[in-house]
Amino acid sequence: AQTIHQWPVAEIKAVGSPLSLGCTIKGKSSPNLYWYWQATGGTLQQLFYSITVGQVESVVQLNLSASRPKDDQFILSTEKLLLSHSGFYLCAWSPTGGSERLFFGHGTKLSVL
Amino acid sequence: TQTVSQSDAHVTVFEGDSVELRCNYSYGGSIYLSWYIQHHGRGLQFLLKYYSGNPVVQGVNGFEAEFSKSDSSFHLRKASVHWSDSAVYFCAVSLQTGFASALTFGSGTKVIVLP
Repeated sequence: AQTIHQWPVAEIKAVGSPLSLGCTIKGKSSPNLYWYWQATGGTLQQLFYSITVGQVESVVQLNLSASRPKDDQFILSTEKLLLSHSGFYLCAWSPTGGSERLFFGHGTKLSVL
Repeated sequence: TQTVSQSDAHVTVFEGDSVELRCNYSYGGSIYLSWYIQHHGRGLQFLLKYYSGNPVVQGVNGFEAEFSKSDSSFHLRKASVHWSDSAVYFCAVSLQTGFASALTFGSGTKVIVLP
C-alpha cells in the first residue's frame, strides 16, 4: 500500500527565517506530486506540481520554491518567510498516466510570527 | 477557466439527519468532478468522483453525489449523518483527464453534526 508522509507536523518560525517542508511517498513508482497551501479556514491553492524527478512546475508565485530530488520526495522551501506564508501546507500525489484523484498527506501547520 | 462554487459555508445538522451539500460549477465541456473531506487539522480524503455514466455515484461511508448537467451541479448527500461526519467538505472540478494539476477546489462547506 502507498503511504505519504509529511514533515514536520507543525512549525513556528520567525519572519525572514528559512523554511523547508518535506514529503515522501512510499509504495508508488513515479507519482505525480503536488504542493497545496490552505489559509486558515480557506480553500486550497495549488502551489507546485511535478511529474518527474528534477522537474517542478510553479502554479502561483508566493516567494516559495519546490524541488524533487528523488522520485519519492518533494521539498517546499523558502529562504525568507513572510507573515503571509502562515497556513496549512499539504502534499499530495496522483498515479502517473491517468487519475484526477489526489491522495493527501496529513499536512504541516506553519505559523510565521 | 472552470470555477466551482459551494454556496453554503456552514451546515449544522443533528446526528441521524440527512444532509445535502451543494456544488455548482461553470464550464461547458467534459469535466471531472469529485468530493473530498477534511477533518480538522488533517489532509483531505477522497470521497467520490464522476466523469461519465450513471449521474448518481456512490462513495465511501454512505455518501453519494448526483451530477446534473442542466443545473451544472454535483451535490453531495448522506441519508443519515454520524458525529464523525463533522468536517469540511470540498468539491473539486478538473478539465483535463489523466492529470490532477488542473483540479480547482471550491471554498468548502463546514459540516457540524450535533448529538
